[in-house]
Amino acid sequence: QVTLRESGPALVKPTQTLTLTCTFSGFSLSTSGMCVSWVRQPPGKALEWLAIIDWDDDKYYSTSLKTRLTISKDTSKNQVVLTMTNMDPVDTATYYCARTEVTNYYFDYWGQGTLVTVSS
Amino acid sequence: DIQMTQSPSSLSASVGDRVTITCRASQSISSYLNWYQQKPGKAPNLLIYAASSLQSGVPSRFSGSGSGTDFTLTISSLQPEDFATYYCQQSYSTPGFTFGPGTKVDIK
Repeated sequence: QVTLRESGPALVKPTQTLTLTCTFSGFSLSTSGMCVSWVRQPPGKALEWLAIIDWDDDKYYSTSLKTRLTISKDTSKNQVVLTMTNMDPVDTATYYCARTEVTNYYFDYWGQGTLVTVSS
Repeated sequence: DIQMTQSPSSLSASVGDRVTITCRASQSISSYLNWYQQKPGKAPNLLIYAASSLQSGVPSRFSGSGSGTDFTLTISSLQPEDFATYYCQQSYSTPGFTFGPGTKVDIK
């Protein structure tokens, strides 16, 4: 059974750095073809893909946010970490992690999401 | 980046109706198109991948078609649990996956 769970602060101040952790089970990020992505959704708005890391430790980022994002993995802990620097109120959103496979890069399992509010 | 559009942005339908949602890409994406259903307060749920392949466990009333730039999601007979927002997502541009703006399906 594949599960993912996001954790991190519910509230951050403007200019601070956000660190989110995705803890997963039911698959291994050392298995060829496996990836984990981060996707966010501002309240009432559409989904936005942020970043992906694959089994080979290749990392890719949203063009518009790549200067602010860093994704990393700890295979032994089954965790993926996303950091986003210089947070702004427009970054207020629910942040999801999702399992992704390279066969077609669809997101087949999702965490429940964590709402991050950026406010002073 | 590849831009995705969806139409309509919202629709009202009755239980039993046939519903069709359209997704268009700004350039050809072959069949690298996926569809998700999202209910309020919940994570998205994968319905269709590779334009027309039904994800395991998804009811057969959902179907997808299209290739190139134009795609459709069809619900053959709308059920009460299908009232939700639907998103398309292109996976052709790797990385740089983009979602459509969503189509909200509500009760007429």
